[in-house]
Amino acid sequence: GDSVTQMEGPVTLSEEAFLTINCTYTATGYPSLFWYVQYPGEGLQLLLKATKADDKGSNKGFEATYRKETTSFHLEKGSVQVSDSAVYFCALSVSRGYSTLTFGKGTMLLVSP
Amino acid sequence: SQTIHQWPATLVQPVGSPLSLECTVEGTSNPNLYWYRQAAGRGLQLLFYSVGIGQISSEVPQNLSASRPQDRQFILSSKKLLLSDSGFYLCAWGGTVTGELFFGEGSRLTVL
Repeated sequence: GDSVTQMEGPVTLSEEAFLTINCTYTATGYPSLFWYVQYPGEGLQLLLKATKADDKGSNKGFEATYRKETTSFHLEKGSVQVSDSAVYFCALSVSRGYSTLTFGKGTMLLVSP
Repeated sequence: SQTIHQWPATLVQPVGSPLSLECTVEGTSNPNLYWYRQAAGRGLQLLFYSVGIGQISSEVPQNLSASRPQDRQFILSSKKLLLSDSGFYLCAWGGTVTGELFFGEGSRLTVL
């Protein structure tokens, strides 16, 4: 079946540091890939997406590139802020007439001033 | 624009009591609707999804049920809660060809 594996956290960084959160996937067919962010006590917000190989999704300084050859979708940001502290989820979707998301377990990011 | 709301935001219930969580979507018609559960340390688990009124698919057998009485309303229920039902419940809608889902604010359930 479909699955997503992402690095375990927490990831602890100082403000303005470079961020990478690794994500790899296994899927039948051609998935769309997503990163969601969850701030404490809130629902999930779509951060960025990519729908085909070599696509780069970007939003709010975050980027991720759909790498089919390595089945990866790593999240990066050049300079993190304290406000980026949250849990980040990698997810995939394979449409079968409807869409369900398969999520990784989430990676907590803690950014200190 | 589309919005999704779910309530209540927080709920504390005794074991064996009933449950009803509601979710409504505005600004779109015939959306696919979903209930996910997020339990501590266990990530996100799809519980139910619905592609239309009265059409419910269950992903995980348990003592929860879902109903869709109207096009943009999705309800999660239980007749008798268990301790293991505690968690953060998220409603979502989807309908785009690229497959992303859009989530509500979540409902935190604590069963004591």
